[in-house]
Parts: sequence; C-alpha cells; structure tokens
Amino acid sequence: NAGVTQTPKFQVLKTGQSMTLQCAQDMNHNSMYWYRQDPGMGLRLIYYSASEGTTDKGEVPNGYNVSRLNKREFSLRLESAAPSQTSVYFCASRFSGGETQYFGPGTRLLVL
Amino acid sequence: QQQVKQSPQSLIVQKGGISIINCAYENTAFDYFPWYQQFPGKGPALLIAIRPDVSEKKEGRFTISFNKSAKQFSLHIMDSQPGDSATYFCAASFNGANNLFFGTGTRLTVIP
Repeated sequence: NAGVTQTPKFQVLKTGQSMTLQCAQDMNHNSMYWYRQDPGMGLRLIYYSASEGTTDKGEVPNGYNVSRLNKREFSLRLESAAPSQTSVYFCASRFSGGETQYFGPGTRLLVL
Repeated sequence: QQQVKQSPQSLIVQKGGISIINCAYENTAFDYFPWYQQFPGKGPALLIAIRPDVSEKKEGRFTISFNKSAKQFSLHIMDSQPGDSATYFCAASFNGANNLFFGTGTRLTVIP
C-alpha cells in the first residue's frame, strides 16, 4: 500500500517551459488536492477534485491546470512556467467520509 | 490575506519541556481545526484535530486547546522529545474539509 505517490521528485525548468506533475493514490479516496508550499507561506491550495470528473479552484489557481484522469490519478500542469512557480508541490487525497487529508512526499520544482 | 495566523515562527525547547504553538482565525464558518506535522523532505501528516464543540482534545503527549470566543487554538506538546523536532502547521476548514487553510508553520527544535 503505497499511499499517495508523486512524480517526479525534483524538476528544473526554464521560464516558459511546460510540464505535468503526476499524482496517484491507492487508498480508493474520492477527493484529491494539489498544494504548493513556500517558505513563510505555509501550504496553499491550488486545485482540488472532490470526486472523479470534477475539479475546483483553490486559493492560488492562476497559471495551473489540472486533470482528474480517473479515481486514482490527479495531475497538475504548468503550461508556461514562471520563476514565481518555484515551490514544493504536494498532492493529497481524502476519503469522502473522513476529514483527514493524506499527503504525498512532494515534488520540488525550480523554474529558472 | 492569511486566513489562519500562526506563531511563533520557530521554537526551541529543552527535552522534557512543554512546546506551545498558537493559531488564530477570523472566519467563524470554520468547523474543523487540524494540526499537521512535517519532517524535512516529507509531506505533512495529520497529528491531531478538533471541532469547535469541544474545548480540548488530548492524544498522548499532544493536546489541542480551543477557545471559540477568542477564535484561537493552540497545540501543546508535553514532555517534548528530540524526535518531535519538525515543522508544525495549524489549519482550518469548513464544508467537509475540502478547502484547508494552513498557517505559516512553526519550526520546532527540541534540544537533548
């Protein structure tokens, strides 16, 4: 039981490049989330998916898109990366009947 | 605008001492208040959580104190151990815990 997995672990991009961060969970959870963590800012919600086939914006959605590919997978796409998107990105999931969000190990993204 | 304000930013405690981290919020619609613990290079993990219908919740050495009228809640770690050294985040949410608003984090160091 791997829980929440994220790929890649680390990525360096140049300004303007695009990439997709992958997230998968094997806990049969309905809801999935993408956060970014920045020093002195805590974690901020980018997008979430309450169930398969739905997505909603969080606090900081600008510059990102998401896809809930199926119940297991939720991807985050940066179409044109900017230095301001340098951050650590965390994916999380939650069973709809519970309150606890379970986090993955994170992806460190550096945009030059 | 930070929905949940957390202090202090960092805390150093002697082994066996009490660690206290404070959080405050403004939105009275919040109805779920978790604390997350994060070790370096890892994702956050739920430590303990409380709902506003109780004033205190204890799990082992960890206690949440909740003051609804003051819109404040705090984490107390009794008999602090070096293994407790981590970053702690308070958070708050409503509507079924989808939108978790995090504090800015407290880096706790427990000195042996």
